[in-house]
Amino acid sequence: EIVMTQSPTTLSVSPGERATLSCRASQSVSSGLAWYQQKPGQAPRLLIYGASTRATGIPARFSGSGSGTEFTLTISSLQSEDFAIYYCQQYNNWPPYTFGQGTKLEIK
Amino acid sequence: QVQLQESGPGLVKPSETLSLTCTVSGGSISNYYWSWLRQSPGKGLEWIGYIYYSGTTNYNPSLLSRVTISVDTSRNQFSLKLRSVTAADTAVYYCASGYSSGYYYLDFWGQGTLVTVSS
Repeated sequence: EIVMTQSPTTLSVSPGERATLSCRASQSVSSGLAWYQQKPGQAPRLLIYGASTRATGIPARFSGSGSGTEFTLTISSLQSEDFAIYYCQQYNNWPPYTFGQGTKLEIK
Repeated sequence: QVQLQESGPGLVKPSETLSLTCTVSGGSISNYYWSWLRQSPGKGLEWIGYIYYSGTTNYNPSLLSRVTISVDTSRNQFSLKLRSVTAADTAVYYCASGYSSGYYYLDFWGQGTLVTVSS
């Protein structure tokens, strides 16, 4: 099973600033990496797939990069609605597809 | 736009079978793969398994001996059965789906349903 490790666990950033979240895979997942946003009481929402492609309706301030084992999600100018928990997920190797433990993005 | 809605009991007794159904609207069941996941504080997000409209399934090895996912194309529904549950199976259960493109990220999610295992 591929283990996905996200860092940091919690990230405190001021509105309008840039946030950079990291995800590392225990072995290469090529570009089979997705990012999700989850707010309290809601299901996760797909942001990025293929490591760098924004899902339908996702604002351009969200961008993803990386391949192999190292990936980054960048939010260029934080809006109030962006404070949430972010998860990465690998879909290159089954079984099973696996998620990171999440990064909580909180208001500084 | 595909919409998903989970339904089923919120409380299951230990050793019994957890049964959930996901009703699909807004899309053809043949164009997607259909998944069950769960989320608990202790284990985070866990992919239980997925199914195609043909009935082909893939399960997480950690649950393989206890899980069955099935699809009812006539009702636009797919279902989860998890046998011999314990307190460790207490979680929010999600149904989710993605396009049958060969890439298994999840475009659409249900709202989730909390299932508690307790006597």
